[in-house]
Amino acid sequence: KNEVEQSPQNLTAQEGEFITINCSYSVGISALHWLQQHPGGGIVSLFMLSSGKKKHGRLIATINIQEKHSSLHITASHPRDSAVYICAVNGGSNYKLTFGKGTLLTVNP
Amino acid sequence: GAVVSQHPSWVICKSGTSVKIECRSLDFQATTMFWYRQFPKQSLMLMATSNEGSKATYEQGVEKDKFLINHASLTLSTLTVTSAHPEDSSFYICSARTENSYEQYFGPGTRLTVT
Repeated sequence: KNEVEQSPQNLTAQEGEFITINCSYSVGISALHWLQQHPGGGIVSLFMLSSGKKKHGRLIATINIQEKHSSLHITASHPRDSAVYICAVNGGSNYKLTFGKGTLLTVNP
Repeated sequence: GAVVSQHPSWVICKSGTSVKIECRSLDFQATTMFWYRQFPKQSLMLMATSNEGSKATYEQGVEKDKFLINHASLTLSTLTVTSAHPEDSSFYICSARTENSYEQYFGPGTRLTVT
């Protein structure tokens, strides 16, 4: 079992819909990251958080340390949000990242 | 914001040759740089961790004599794929972090094709 589990694996939405991607992890962590990768492209770091909630534009990330769970929300989704979203964690005091398998999001116009 | 560049962005080489990929932190000093490879439709796989001025730490199963990593300065790390074979064809991504931070800044990746 992977230490970082994401759901769903694939998600298709209509433009304008509210999107939620979930991430659960099984180890104690120092930080959790949400990353974005467009097809054929590089990795962009969206958020790093260790508690609470962060917001950037239409993106919101939350984390519940007790439940070992994080969510990434996208409000008013747009076709340009179509990408793979990856959850990754720093376990303990380790600077290395453990990655989830990613969620492929497709937003149709 | 912190920017990491990679060069080249793509490269095609013949089997048996060596290829060098550069990773640079443009506006910050990178205490640690990480090298990943990614196969199509798969997640990133950490190959090695390099700290400036010291030998890289390779993950299990990664051949250190085949994937040579040099982190000669706080802004530059290089990955050399020696005697490349078609199975080395992949997307190679670096990331960098600063001291006392868990934040990682990713490069745009280098697509290597070995013919």
